[in-house]
This record gives sequence, C-alpha cells and structure tokens, in this order.
Amino acid sequence: GIQVEQSPPDLILQEGANSTLRCNFSDSVNNLQWFHQNPWGQLINLFYIPSGTKQNGRLSATTVATERYSLLYISSSQTTDSGVYFCAVDAPGTYKYIFGTGTRLKVLA
Amino acid sequence: NAGVTQTPKFQVLKTGQSMTLQCAQDMNHNSMYWYRQDPGMGLRLIYYSASEGTTDKGEVPNGYNVSRLNKREFSLRLESAAPSQTSVYFCASTFAHGYTFGSGTRLTVV
Repeated sequence: GIQVEQSPPDLILQEGANSTLRCNFSDSVNNLQWFHQNPWGQLINLFYIPSGTKQNGRLSATTVATERYSLLYISSSQTTDSGVYFCAVDAPGTYKYIFGTGTRLKVLA
Repeated sequence: NAGVTQTPKFQVLKTGQSMTLQCAQDMNHNSMYWYRQDPGMGLRLIYYSASEGTTDKGEVPNGYNVSRLNKREFSLRLESAAPSQTSVYFCASTFAHGYTFGSGTRLTVV
C-alpha cells in the first residue's frame, strides 16, 4: 500500500521563527490533507490540498503531486502552534486516508 | 454545535470484556471512519464506511467489528478486548473535502 513519510520527526522552535514540514508519499494520490493535533489530543483539519498552494493566515501549504510531496509552512510561530502535524493521503480508487507518523513541534516562548 | 460526537470519552475494560464505541455526526456526511492512535504513532485506519449500508476493512481490522446504523451513526465494537487494544480511538466523517474528527475515546484494557 501507499507509504507516507514526514520529516522532521521532531522540531523545536523559538517563538517567532519560521518552519517547513515535509510529507513524501510513495504513489499517486487523489487527495491530501494536513492536520494539527493539539496537546489535548484534538485533531483539526488545516488544509485539503491535493495540488497547488493554499494559505490560511500564518500557515500555508504546497503540494506537488507529480513529485509526490507536500510542504507545510508555519511563519512567525506561536506557542499555540505546538503539537503534532500529520499529513494524510487518499489513494486513487479508495475512500480511505493513510496517515504519516507526524512531526512533533514545540514552540518555546 | 455541528460536528462528530464520540462516546464514551474514557473507558477501562478487563481482558475479555466487550464494548461498543459510539460515533454520530450531524453534518449529513456520507463517509465515516474509525482510527486508532497509539503513543508516538500516527493514526491507523480500523474500518470505514464510504456510504450508508457499506463498510470496509482498513489497515488494522482484526479484533473489531463495525455497524453503519444509519447515515449519522457508525459504531465500533470490541467483542473480546485485549491489552493490545489499549489506544485512543478517533471517529471521523467527510463529505467531499476534509475530515472532521471527534474528540476521541481513551480506552485502557487491563
């Protein structure tokens, strides 16, 4: 089945710094989503981005489907950005998303 | 508020006991999913239902059964709980774009 790899696995930033998280996938995908899991365990959908670029405030994401990767950019990080960021992909012909193992981000005040 | 509701939030079971995790959504979504999350790992798909009346196995279906009771409700049953099923369980739903997750059920099997 399709494999999803995220990097880096862990990231520590000082408040105000920028960062880039990467998601690589092993095969063609129909859809791709980015999620944030906060320290209390709640999962929030950030982006639905099968291709192209989207922006939402300090966050933006780019997916290059032909090269099988997606990037999540966090600018001017805040302590509330801490948590785990997951990438998930939906392979063609299926209705199921497969998740990567996540990037654990800690933003220090 | 619209969303995905999971019950219970916490549960402790003894090995061999059975229980059903409930999930309901009020967004008229077609597809519903059950995932489990173990410490330090991503989410792994247990079962999913692409539409009312259909269910399919995901990555880790062994030891679980599901029922898509109607469009709103998708339940997950553990017939004989094992310590390896200690995990946090998340239900999700979607229509076309983007998942909405429930708040999770933290299950401990002793």
